[in-house]
Amino acid sequence: GQNIDQPTEMTATEGAIVQINCTYQTSGFNGLFWYQQHAGEAPTFLSYNVLDGLEEKGRFSSFLSRSKGYSYLLLKELQMKDSASYLCAVVDSNYQLIWGAGTKLIIKP
Amino acid sequence: DGGITQSPKYLFRKEGQNVTLSCEQNLNHDAMYWYRQDPGQGLRLIYYSQIVNDFQKGDIAEGYSVSREKKESFPLTVTSAQKNPTAFYLCASSLRGADYNEQFFGPGTRLTVL
Repeated sequence: GQNIDQPTEMTATEGAIVQINCTYQTSGFNGLFWYQQHAGEAPTFLSYNVLDGLEEKGRFSSFLSRSKGYSYLLLKELQMKDSASYLCAVVDSNYQLIWGAGTKLIIKP
Repeated sequence: DGGITQSPKYLFRKEGQNVTLSCEQNLNHDAMYWYRQDPGQGLRLIYYSQIVNDFQKGDIAEGYSVSREKKESFPLTVTSAQKNPTAFYLCASSLRGADYNEQFFGPGTRLTVL
C-alpha cells in the first residue's frame, strides 16, 4: 500500500526554527509537494521537490532524499502566522497526489 | 482574477437528502478533483476528471456522484447513500498531463448533515 507519515503536531517558539519531517512509501515517485493549510481554509502551495537536495524559498526550505523516501520542510524565523497545518503529498506513478495527514504546527510567543 | 470558487462555504442538510456542491474554475485547467477532509486526516480523493465528459473514481467514491459537462465546472453530489457525509469538501484543479502536477484549491465547503 501507499503510505505517508508525518508527525501529528509540533510546537515551536516565535523566532525559532522548526523542521517538519515526511517519510513516504508509494508506488512510484514523480515529485513531492508541501502545502500550508490554515484552519478552515484551502491548502496553499509551498514547495515542490523532484530531485534530491534542498530547495530554498525565503524563510521556507524543503529537502528531498529519494533513496531514503524522506523529505523535510524547514521554517526559519517563525512568525505567529505560521501556525497552520503542513501537508506533505507525493506524486505517484499514475501522477496522482497521495496526501499525508498533515502536521499541525503551533507557534508560541 | 483566475481561481477556483466553491459555494456555499457552509451547507446544512437533513439526513436522507441529496446535496450538490459547486466548483468553478477559470484557470483553463483540464483536470479537476474533489477531496474530502476529516479532522486529523489527510485529503482523500473522491473523484477526478482529466477531460470534459470523463471522470474517474477516487479512493472513496461510494455515495458520491459527479459530472463534467463543461471544462470550467465539476459539481459534486453527495447522495443519501453516503453514510457519513459531514465533512470539509475541497475542489482542486491542475494542468492535465503535467509532471509538475501542482493543484490549486478552492476555499472549500463545510457540509453538515443534521
